[in-house]
Amino acid sequence: QSVLTQPPSVSAAPGQKVSISCSGGSSNIGRNDVSWYQQLPGTAPKLLIHDNNKRPSGIPDRFSGSKSGTSVTLDITGLRTGDEADYYCGTWDSSLSAVVFGGGTKLTVL
Amino acid sequence: QVQLVQSGAEVKEPGASVKVSCKPSGYTFTTYDINWVRQATGQGLEWMGWMNPNNGNRAYAQKFQGRVTMTRSTSIGTAYMELSSLTSEDSAVYYCARDSGNGSPDYWGQGTLVTVSS
Repeated sequence: QSVLTQPPSVSAAPGQKVSISCSGGSSNIGRNDVSWYQQLPGTAPKLLIHDNNKRPSGIPDRFSGSKSGTSVTLDITGLRTGDEADYYCGTWDSSLSAVVFGGGTKLTVL
Repeated sequence: QVQLVQSGAEVKEPGASVKVSCKPSGYTFTTYDINWVRQATGQGLEWMGWMNPNNGNRAYAQKFQGRVTMTRSTSIGTAYMELSSLTSEDSAVYYCARDSGNGSPDYWGQGTLVTVSS
């Protein structure tokens, strides 16, 4: 059981937009900045979004993040088949003194 | 560019220990904490702990307390994670990941597959 809650799967057609939610509590998302990671099959996670809504250099602006209270959302626009991957949210939990992750969301581009 | 290179795959018998290394490049080794995260096949990410390469301070997830040891060698700029008393439940890919400074990882190693089998 993950501390952060994500939907197990989402799907959308190429070119469309998809949103992936991640909900937590006052000791994690409510208090700390959140990162999003993309994990393509057979590879290590890659940072997509940090500090809730900032993109590292090289990440296209099709990927965006937002935060409201104890939830965050990752939006992906202009979907491509290459976006098919598992997506994880992660942050520090001040009560657990631990990094916590969501259970991951599998994105299928139909 | 920042890279973290990990040691190769390991096969261990139940009850044994495994030690995985992680050698960062592209930045000063002692300026960022190192996290260790594992992922069992088909499962999500599980944080194991972190270590400060500058002073050696470390903190472990409660689940791994007493079984995990995170160390470093500043002379060769390498971090290590050792897990003891292995069982089949410890079969997973183990990742090292640099801490961004805000409590979650940014750059990740390529992963080390550890298989525990008799």
